[in-house]
Order: sequence, then structure tokens, then C-alpha cells
Amino acid sequence: EDKVVQSPLSLVVHEGDTVTLNCSYEVTNFRSLLWYKQEKKAPTFLFMLTSSGIEKKSGRLSSILDKKELFSILNITATQTGDSAIYLCAVFYNNDMRFGAGTRLTVKP
Amino acid sequence: DGGITQSPKYLFRKEGQNVTLSCEQNLNHDAMYWYRQDPGQGLRLIYYSQIVNDFQKGDIAEGYSVSREKKESFPLTVTSAQKNPTAFYLCASSIRVDSPLHFGNGTRLTVT
Repeated sequence: EDKVVQSPLSLVVHEGDTVTLNCSYEVTNFRSLLWYKQEKKAPTFLFMLTSSGIEKKSGRLSSILDKKELFSILNITATQTGDSAIYLCAVFYNNDMRFGAGTRLTVKP
Repeated sequence: DGGITQSPKYLFRKEGQNVTLSCEQNLNHDAMYWYRQDPGQGLRLIYYSQIVNDFQKGDIAEGYSVSREKKESFPLTVTSAQKNPTAFYLCASSIRVDSPLHFGNGTRLTVT
């Protein structure tokens, strides 16, 4: 069965810490992996990854994909309270997209 | 500003009643989607539409129905056949099926 697994499910850190969120997948005909941030309501798009080993970066956030080991990581450096959110990973394969359960990140002052 | 508008934000219904959730987009996107979000389960696909007058079932379509009569609109009806309808419903659109999704702000449905 096709699946997308995120870990950890929840994480509590303090401001300034660096966090690494994981997304592993088992799907047929992988096409891309996407990361979204959901603060309260609408998830917002962060990154789309299609090639292994090429880091995508936006400010303090970065992400990389390993298509051999079938996972991606999302790194957030120097975390701020505004980074508190649910981070969703989604994998596009064939003509389907499957979301992981999400990682709830809480950043304490 | 372009975007996706879902209404209402909150909806309360009695068991046995059908209810329709609205989703409108002015992004000129061809593809539209409905997801359901429950705590600890991520987003699960209910229905999607790649083009006007065509739509496909997602993983959890039972008890739901949709229509796509216009490119801009993709309403979702939660019928009385849906066993556990209380949830947060998100509508999304994308330029193409394999493009990043743009989400609306969601509708929280409570059925008692």
C-alpha cells in the first residue's frame, strides 16, 4: 500500500534551536515531494522537490530529497515562535497525491 | 487578489441533514480538490476535478458528492450517508494536477 510517514508527530523546542523534520515514503512511480506549513487554517506551500541531493532553501528553511532511501528532510535553523505550525509532507505519484499525518512543531520563547 | 474562498467558516448541522460547502477560486486553475482533515491523520482526499464537468473520487468519497459546472466553483455536499462528518474541510486548486496546491481557509463542520 502506498504511504507517506512523517516523524516525529510532534516536537517542542525553544527559540534558537534547529529542528529536522522527516518524511519517508513508499509509492510507485514517484514524481515529486512537497512540503507545506499549516499555521491555523490554510496550508501554505514551502518547497517542491523532484531531484535527489539538490537542496532547496528559503531563509531559515531548507529541504532535501533522497530518492534512493525514499525520504526527505525539512530543516529549520534558529527557530522562532512564528515557526510554530503543522508541517505537512505530500508525495505526488502516478496521478495521485498522498499527505503524511504532519508534524506539529511548537517553538517556545 | 487571487485566491480561494471557502464559506462558511463554521457550519453546524443536525444529523440526517445534507449540507453544502462552498469553494470558489479566481486563480484560473484547472484542477480543484476537497480534503478532509482530522486530528493526527493529515489530509485525506475526498474528490478532485481536473476539468469542468469532470471529477474523480478520492480515498474517502463515500457519503460525499461534488459538482464542477464552472471552472471557478467546486461545491462539496456532505450527505446524511457520511457516518462521521464532523471535521475540518479544505478546498484546494492547482494549475495542473502535478503543481503545488493553493488552499482555502477551510470550513469546520460540526454535526450533532
